[in-house]
Amino acid sequence: AQSVTQLDSQVPVFEEAPVELRCNYSSSVSVYLFWYVQYPNQGLQLLLKYLSGSTLVKGINGFEAEFNKSQTSFHLRKPSVHISDTAEYFCAVSDGKIDYKLSFGAGTTVTVRA
Amino acid sequence: DAMVIQNPRYQVTQFGKPVTLSCSQTLNHNVMYWYQQKSSQAPKLLFHYYDKDFNNEADTPDNFQSRRPNTSFCFLDIRSPGLGDAAMYLCATSRGYSPSSKENPTGFETQYFGPGTRLLVL
Repeated sequence: AQSVTQLDSQVPVFEEAPVELRCNYSSSVSVYLFWYVQYPNQGLQLLLKYLSGSTLVKGINGFEAEFNKSQTSFHLRKPSVHISDTAEYFCAVSDGKIDYKLSFGAGTTVTVRA
Repeated sequence: DAMVIQNPRYQVTQFGKPVTLSCSQTLNHNVMYWYQQKSSQAPKLLFHYYDKDFNNEADTPDNFQSRRPNTSFCFLDIRSPGLGDAAMYLCATSRGYSPSSKENPTGFETQYFGPGTRLLVL
């Protein structure tokens, strides 16, 4: 079975500063990795995903993530954040079996201040 | 636009009074999932349908049931809501397994989420 650890529960950051959200996973099989964003009282929106190929993945809203198999990590980064990036961010992993079940991390709350 | 729709967005029910949450999709996806997300926690999968096949998670209470009358609709029924069932309920869909293709070489399909229904139990 796979599991996900998000190492930071809260990340305060100033506007236009860079941000990195850390995610580590454990799995004994090939994995597929995702980052979702959740704005207050809304559902989850896919930011980016790693399925195969290049380990650097670019997503929406200027976010990118790097898959590191040796460190079992999938950290999310943005070089310059905006107030509108204030949200909860979830890392998720799937073993890619036929029903594509996701296991989520506990989430990281990003608060962007002016 | 194709999307996942959940109704209502907010639902208030009384302790022990049955309640039904609705999810519909215009994506024609094979798989529909129901997640429960309590405050400040990660979404937790309750069950999913792959076409008409129902798949329950081992730790989902019997109080939670689901129906999928057709491809587009899926319902979550809570037979006797307790105070601990107050949460955001998220519906998601995915296209289901596809053989490896040029467009999707791993054959993996992404889950797409609806906006959620926030349930309050009084």
